[in-house]
Amino acid sequence: AQTVTQSQPEMSVQEAETVTLSCTYDTSESDYYLFWYKQPPSRQMILVIRQEAYKQQNATENRFSVNFQKAAKSFSLKISDSQLGDAAMYFCAYRSNGANSKLTFGKGITLSVRP
Amino acid sequence: DAGVTQSPTHLIKTRGQQVTLRCSPISGHKSVSWYQQVLGQGPQFIFQYYEKEERGRGNFPDRFSARQFPNYSSELNVNALLLGDSALYLCASSLRHISGNTIYFGEGSWLTVV
Repeated sequence: AQTVTQSQPEMSVQEAETVTLSCTYDTSESDYYLFWYKQPPSRQMILVIRQEAYKQQNATENRFSVNFQKAAKSFSLKISDSQLGDAAMYFCAYRSNGANSKLTFGKGITLSVRP
Repeated sequence: DAGVTQSPTHLIKTRGQQVTLRCSPISGHKSVSWYQQVLGQGPQFIFQYYEKEERGRGNFPDRFSARQFPNYSSELNVNALLLGDSALYLCASSLRHISGNTIYFGEGSWLTVV
């Protein structure tokens, strides 16, 4: 079974600064997807970014980018130019490739942004 | 376009009662999944449905059941409620049941069991 670990329960960043959220995972599969979801106080899960394991290039979405290290099974999220609206819980998630596969989430990290 | 909609948004039930939660997927989406999120934890997978058939089930007791209707909406039923069933129940939809399709979540239904 796959597991996702987020070892930092909380992090804080100054507005306009950069912050990196860590995630590791365990799997015996070679083909899979990794995601970062944001959950603001409204509780709706919002997809931030996704990475296909077969792609060597790290995914980027505007101010959000990932550092995907497949051999180390590490998948960190970097948020540049942090904004107050970035304050939320962030979840790392794993999904096997193929049909009928589920999302496996980590425990999440609470990010606060200081003005 | 409407996103994934869930109802009710909040509800309180007594131990031993039964509850039904409802979900309407994004228009055109045929796959619906349910997740349970206990406070302070990440969501846990409960069920996945595609084309009205159950395609996956997580490690939950038989008190949990679900179904998908011809219009692709879905219901999650929980019988004989326990205090530990108190959680946010998230519904998610995607075009199909394959992993390449992006999963979109609703805002969830908050269930409190007293």
